[in-house]
Amino acid sequence: DTGVSQDPRHKITKRGQNVTFRCDPISEHNRLYWYRQTLGQGPEFLTYFQNEAQLEKSRLLSDRFSAERPKGSFSTLEIQRTEQGDSAMYLCASSLRSKTGYNEQFFGPGTRLTVL
Amino acid sequence: QQQVKQSPQSLIVQKGGISIINCAYENTAFDYFPWYQQFPGKGPALLIAIRPDVSEKKEGRFTISFNKSAKQFSLHIMDSQPGDSATYFCAARLYAGNMLTFGGGTRLMVKP
Repeated sequence: DTGVSQDPRHKITKRGQNVTFRCDPISEHNRLYWYRQTLGQGPEFLTYFQNEAQLEKSRLLSDRFSAERPKGSFSTLEIQRTEQGDSAMYLCASSLRSKTGYNEQFFGPGTRLTVL
Repeated sequence: QQQVKQSPQSLIVQKGGISIINCAYENTAFDYFPWYQQFPGKGPALLIAIRPDVSEKKEGRFTISFNKSAKQFSLHIMDSQPGDSATYFCAARLYAGNMLTFGGGTRLMVKP
């Protein structure tokens, strides 16, 4: 499978615990994005990497959230001291800058987080 | 303002019919408008996309119509099939930006 992969697919945790998700982008894609999607809503942008550099962060990304992309390959998203409001689907997408400059984003299957 | 407003929230169409989903935006700095299809438990899949210098783009049974002056664009699914039953999201990207701003989604049900 050469698409974007995410691990785990589902995570159930108790309030106050820390969780970490992993995303493996499509090979050779230099751009990687994290979005959050709550039930019945469209995805909301969280943060974006070009190679290993984190270039954009949404105001949605509170201090409890941190993302990394060491060596410009896979990425991790960590949520510290989880709250019930963090329950959502966390989506990763990747893209490669095309000649047109419109770098289509391809999404992974997501990690469904449930905070009890 | 970076909102993208999508309608209707839900849509029921008979097999073989035309499904039409509409989106409107405010920010004229948006320069790329993709549509995504999402099945339950899956991530969004890119369906078709358009740039504002084009008024229409067709790929198979899927067509995007774009009205720059009205700041509106729509997805038409011709000959709708039960397998098209999914949630559809329009999105927009700011010029020179990277984040996509998504609409609220339309849940499409195609009845056999």
